[in-house]
Amino acid sequence: DAGVIQSPRHEVTEMGQEVTLRCKPISGHNSLFWYRQTMMRGLELLIYFNNNVPIDDSGMPEDRFSAKMPNASFSTLKIQPSEPRDSAVYFCASRGTSGRGSGELFFGEGSRLTVL
Amino acid sequence: RKEVEQDPGPFNVPEGATVAFNCTYSNSASQSFFWYRQDCRKEPKLLMSVYSSGNEDGRFTAQLNRASQYISLLIRDSKLSDSATYLCVVTGQGGKLIFGQGTELSVKP
Repeated sequence: DAGVIQSPRHEVTEMGQEVTLRCKPISGHNSLFWYRQTMMRGLELLIYFNNNVPIDDSGMPEDRFSAKMPNASFSTLKIQPSEPRDSAVYFCASRGTSGRGSGELFFGEGSRLTVL
Repeated sequence: RKEVEQDPGPFNVPEGATVAFNCTYSNSASQSFFWYRQDCRKEPKLLMSVYSSGNEDGRFTAQLNRASQYISLLIRDSKLSDSATYLCVVTGQGGKLIFGQGTELSVKP
């Protein structure tokens, strides 16, 4: 199994540019999560999907952020326009159904975004 | 108040020491609890789930106190390879997983 695959691994862009981060969850997993990690705020949940449907987007910072999951094998997180304070590592994670409580969350290697 | 709060780090301990991390959570309806480990510049990975009766995995012991809304992780006979950030994770409303800020552990020779 290839695990959760994220791209790009690193992106450096200028303020005002559009950024699109991509994620391929583990095949068969029905939940997908987008997290953002910074030194100051730690890991913050931005949005998560169950069966491709957004369930909770209360963590999305503002309207500049949007996420989609058009099918079970692909999701995008878009920032438009980007700002320097968006610089962070963005993690995608997926989870399958579980028998006891919530199943294990598997993370991708993250996309490190730097906005100049 | 944050939904999940952890001991501030970093913890600097010698090899062989026993170290304990604590975590409190605010949502009394939370059902599932975990400890994740994150190495520097890597993604978080599951260390162990935390069960109501407490559970042990080798040198690692996790405890849950629902009445006090408190979780702990004990590491015995710490190794250099245990150096990492340990993240307390709690399920929130709708099953989402909420991470604590993390506690950094540094094990020295």
